[in-house]
Amino acid sequence: DADVTQTPRNRITKTGKRIMLECSQTKGHDRMYWYRQDPGLGLRLIYYSFDVKDINKGEISDGYSVSRQAQAKFSLSLESAIPNQTALYFCATSHDTPRDNEQFFGPGTRLTVL
Amino acid sequence: RKEVEQDPGPFNVPEGATVAFNCTYSNSASQSFFWYRQDCRKEPKLLMSVYSSGNEDGRFTAQLNRASQYISLLIRDSKLSDSATYLCVVNGRDSSYKLIFGSGTRLLVRP
Repeated sequence: DADVTQTPRNRITKTGKRIMLECSQTKGHDRMYWYRQDPGLGLRLIYYSFDVKDINKGEISDGYSVSRQAQAKFSLSLESAIPNQTALYFCATSHDTPRDNEQFFGPGTRLTVL
Repeated sequence: RKEVEQDPGPFNVPEGATVAFNCTYSNSASQSFFWYRQDCRKEPKLLMSVYSSGNEDGRFTAQLNRASQYISLLIRDSKLSDSATYLCVVNGRDSSYKLIFGSGTRLLVRP
């Protein structure tokens, strides 16, 4: 079955370290998204990309950067991790048709910054 | 004020019960509305879209009230497997492709 995968699934790191979270999809979707989820706050959009040449900031992009290496790959980097970036991170994809907004999520990466 | 607000629950109901969740949204220009389901430590998955005329999918019924900017989800004949967090989702203020997620309502169905 077509899929959205994320690596790693779990990561513990120390303050100041550079971390990269990777997302791959076999759905053939152009649109890809990175979210973080914190208890009581729901999912918040970090960055999104509508195609390989299009990268946009979401509501909480400070401290993060992204790279869209190919249609199927969208990676999220924390240049210098800090403890308040401890969260569950989800990658998602969607079609590019205006009336079909369903987003398909990867299994998530649980990141802990000590 | 949050753009999408939900009662966090938890709603603790017996099997077979009917339970309703409500959600309010702040952007009157929103055009797309959804309910997603998220199991503990898992990814969110689309449960159903919400249409202006209301829609039903088996035991699940979704309603939209644009005038009051209010969305509801009704679950009839609750099953143990319905235990999850239900996320209310609307499209964002500046792009129909960006989704704003509520923080979710937790449902626990007990035997």
